[in-house]
Amino acid sequence: TQLLEQSPQFLSIQEGENLTVYCNSSSVFSSLQWYRQEPGEGPVLLVTVVTGGEVKKLKRLTFQFGDARKDSSLHITAAQPGDTGLYLCAGTAGTASKLTFGTGTRLQVTL
Amino acid sequence: EAQVTQNPRYLITVTGKKLTVTCSQNMNHEYMSWYRQDPGLGLRQIYYSMNVEVTDKGDVPEGYKVSRKEKRNFPLILESPSPNQTSLYFCASSPTGTYGEKLFFGSGTQLSVL
Repeated sequence: TQLLEQSPQFLSIQEGENLTVYCNSSSVFSSLQWYRQEPGEGPVLLVTVVTGGEVKKLKRLTFQFGDARKDSSLHITAAQPGDTGLYLCAGTAGTASKLTFGTGTRLQVTL
Repeated sequence: EAQVTQNPRYLITVTGKKLTVTCSQNMNHEYMSWYRQDPGLGLRQIYYSMNVEVTDKGDVPEGYKVSRKEKRNFPLILESPSPNQTSLYFCASSPTGTYGEKLFFGSGTQLSVL
């Protein structure tokens, strides 16, 4: 079973600060996704990366897939209270139907 | 509106009393899956189904059953619930289950087994 470790587990910052969340594994993944989950709701897909070294931007969010496809990072610039939530990375390796989720990073952005 | 619908949203039951959590999607997706979410452990896959009549175990299938008799429905069955099955459960679907595909999640079912 592939494991995805996220760090930090919790992050509390003020509006306007920058932050980076990490997702690491010893396994190689065919693709990696980032989801955001708000209280009382299911996770919602933010981005999918499939190529080693790939960088994708979604407004103030920047996602990077490691060159060896074993890790990924999510960088948020000038965080806003609307960014508050649980961020989950998820990777696919081997069997296409098997999506392994990371342990999650809970982000709180205050005014 | 395209969605995955789970019922009920909240369920409190007692040990040993059989229960079913329903899941339905209206997007004609082939792939459906069940996850449980526990603090510090992320989401762990219970069972998945690539298409009608084809299901397979995920990482934590013990104590659970599923069936996929119709494309749109994928119920999760707990024949004899135990307290360690207290958790937040999510159903999800995607068009084909191919890697990199977007998963659509339901809103979750919070289950408490006393």
